[in-house]
Amino acid sequence: GENVEQHPSTLSVQEGDSAVIKCTYSDSASNYFPWYKQELGKGPQLIIDIRSNVGEKKDQRIAVTLNKTAKHFSLHITETQPEDSAVYFCAASIAGSARQLTFGSGTQLTVLP
Amino acid sequence: ETGVTQTPRHLVMGMTNKKSLKCEQHLGHNAMYWYKQSAKKPLELMFVYSLEERVENNSVPSRFSPECPNSSHLFLHLHTLQPEDSALYLCASSQDPVLAGGWGTQYFGPGTRLTVL
Repeated sequence: GENVEQHPSTLSVQEGDSAVIKCTYSDSASNYFPWYKQELGKGPQLIIDIRSNVGEKKDQRIAVTLNKTAKHFSLHITETQPEDSAVYFCAASIAGSARQLTFGSGTQLTVLP
Repeated sequence: ETGVTQTPRHLVMGMTNKKSLKCEQHLGHNAMYWYKQSAKKPLELMFVYSLEERVENNSVPSRFSPECPNSSHLFLHLHTLQPEDSALYLCASSQDPVLAGGWGTQYFGPGTRLTVL
């Protein structure tokens, strides 16, 4: 089955700096890669996703890149703010043929004021 | 809010108790999921329902019993739990990516924090 590895497990950045979280996946058939943000006491919230037919997607301060050849994808957050502090999860699935999302183990991001 | 609600938000139970977790989605989705989230571990998929039929059961112990009476409601019945079952239990919903051929983006509820004494 699919295996998703996520790094780093913890990340601290100064407010205003950029943060990068990386994930690798094992199944070359995977074609859908969502990112979730989980704040304390809440469930995971989808923040951005990317599909295998594109290499990069941006939404304001958040961007995701995908390298299908190397089987890795990354989340980039620019101009970080204290409210970006949360746990971030990457996931992978085979859209259209599988219901299961395989999640990474999460990254605790702390933005220091 | 994501359109997925869960009750109760917190639950403390003894190992001999029987309790139920409830999930409701207001998104018009046809698939619902139960996940277990333990500290320092990836989310673990427990059960998947599509059109009220259980379609996946990921080797979950029988002390966890799901029920999906309709496409908007999902329950997780708990009995004779162990302390290691203490965790955050998350419900999610989506359009079934297998039926619809789409991406199956999942939307999560806030979870039930379960403590087994």
